[in-house]
Amino acid sequence: QVQLVESGGGVVQPGGSLRLSCTASGFIFLNYGMHWVRQAPGKGLEWVAFIRFDGSNKYYADSVKGRFTISRDNSKNILYLQMNSLSAEDTGIYYCAKNGHLGDYFDYWGQGTLFTVSS
Amino acid sequence: DIQMTQSPSTLSASVGDRVTITCRASQSISSWLAWYQQKPGKAPNLLIYEASISESGVPSRFSGSGSGTEFTLTISSLQPDDFATYYCQQYNSYPYTFGQGTNLEIK
Repeated sequence: QVQLVESGGGVVQPGGSLRLSCTASGFIFLNYGMHWVRQAPGKGLEWVAFIRFDGSNKYYADSVKGRFTISRDNSKNILYLQMNSLSAEDTGIYYCAKNGHLGDYFDYWGQGTLFTVSS
Repeated sequence: DIQMTQSPSTLSASVGDRVTITCRASQSISSWLAWYQQKPGKAPNLLIYEASISESGVPSRFSGSGSGTEFTLTISSLQPDDFATYYCQQYNSYPYTFGQGTNLEIK
């Protein structure tokens, strides 16, 4: 069965950096685009970034463009999110999500990893 | 960016009720719309994609309709397990965007 397991959360100071990972199993990882979606405490969902199956194209939300970088290692079945210049507004649960078979919806989600930006 | 607006933000209903949640897009998104259910402390779960196609394993009481700018999610007969928050999401163009959510609570 499809499993997505995020890791890398914690506490980071404002202006700091953090890298999240998402380890995928149960499907052919290199065949699917992957997304990061976040949720601030008590708030709704916000799409963050997308990477195509082969890493050839990447797209970002305006709120993270220039600060976050999505990448993947298809040999290890791992998705990454490198986050720089972090602020309190970046605090929340970060989910990785698998692209659907027939479009850029999210058919499987990880359990999420929480990180807090705080001094 | 395409803005997605859900209504209502909160919906109180009883077991057995038929409920409808509306999602409006600020411009046409054809049928590139998905619906998700999220329970407290859990990741969202895909219900519907391409506006009206039910994901495998989703109970038949959930249905979606619409195209262009107006979409609906209908639950034909509420079950206790359905009390949750529901989100719509457009995937017509980047950046992909969600509605603000509809909290479906027990009356």
